Amino acid sequence: GAVVSQHPSRVICKSGTSVKIECRSLDFQATTMFWYRQFPKQSLMLMATSNEGSKATYEQGVEKDKFLINHASLTLSTLTVTSAHPEDSSFYICSARQERGTLYEQYFGPGTRLTVT
Amino acid sequence: AQTVTQSQPEMSVQEAETVTLSCTYDTSESDYYLFWYKQPPSRQMILVIRQEAYKQQNATENRFSVNFQKAAKSFSLKISDSQLGDAAMYFCASFWDAGGTSYGKLTFGQGTILTVHP
Repeated sequence: GAVVSQHPSRVICKSGTSVKIECRSLDFQATTMFWYRQFPKQSLMLMATSNEGSKATYEQGVEKDKFLINHASLTLSTLTVTSAHPEDSSFYICSARQERGTLYEQYFGPGTRLTVT
Repeated sequence: AQTVTQSQPEMSVQEAETVTLSCTYDTSESDYYLFWYKQPPSRQMILVIRQEAYKQQNATENRFSVNFQKAAKSFSLKISDSQLGDAAMYFCASFWDAGGTSYGKLTFGQGTILTVHP
C-alpha cells in the first residue's frame, strides 16, 4: 500500500518558537493533503486541506497565521506552528489522498507529537 | 454537512469472540463512501474496510465485515475471532465526492476504544 511519512515523529520546543512538520507521500503523488490534530482518546480534528500549488483551506476556528501550511509539490506538504504555546501541544497527523480514476484512497502518516514547554 | 456518530465510547471482547461496533451517519448525498479505520497504540491510522454506498453487498475483509443499512444510515463493523492485536481505537468515517473533484473530506466519528481480553 501507499506510504506517507512524517518528520519529526516527536518534537519538543520552547514557547514562542516555531516548529515545522513535514509530510511526504513516498510512492505516489498526492494532489490533496490534509492536516489533523488529535487529543488523547479523541477523534481526529481536521485543521486544513491543501492542494498542490494553491493556498490551503482552513477549517473554521483554525488560525491560518499560526498554522502555516505549504504544499510545495505533489509529494510534500509542511505544517509550521508559529510562536508555539503550551496549548498547541498535541498530536498532529497528516494524510495524503491518492486518486485513481474515481477511487479516492486516503493514507495517513504516523503522526508527530508536539510538546511546547 | 455530513455527520458520523459512534455511540459506544468503549467496548470489550474476549479473545476469539465476536464484537460489533456501531456507527450511524447522516448525509444528503446519494453517492458516498464509508470507512472503518483502526488506530492502535502506535497511533498509526490503518484502513480496515471501506464500503461504496452504491454497492448493496456488504464489504468483507478477512475477519472484518460490515452491516451496511443504507435506509437506516447505519454502518456497523463486526470483528470475528477477535485477536489481541485488534485492540485499538476504531473510527467510522464518511466521504463524499464533492462534484467530481477530490475536494471532499473525511468526516470522522468520535471513536470506540476496543479492549480485547485474553
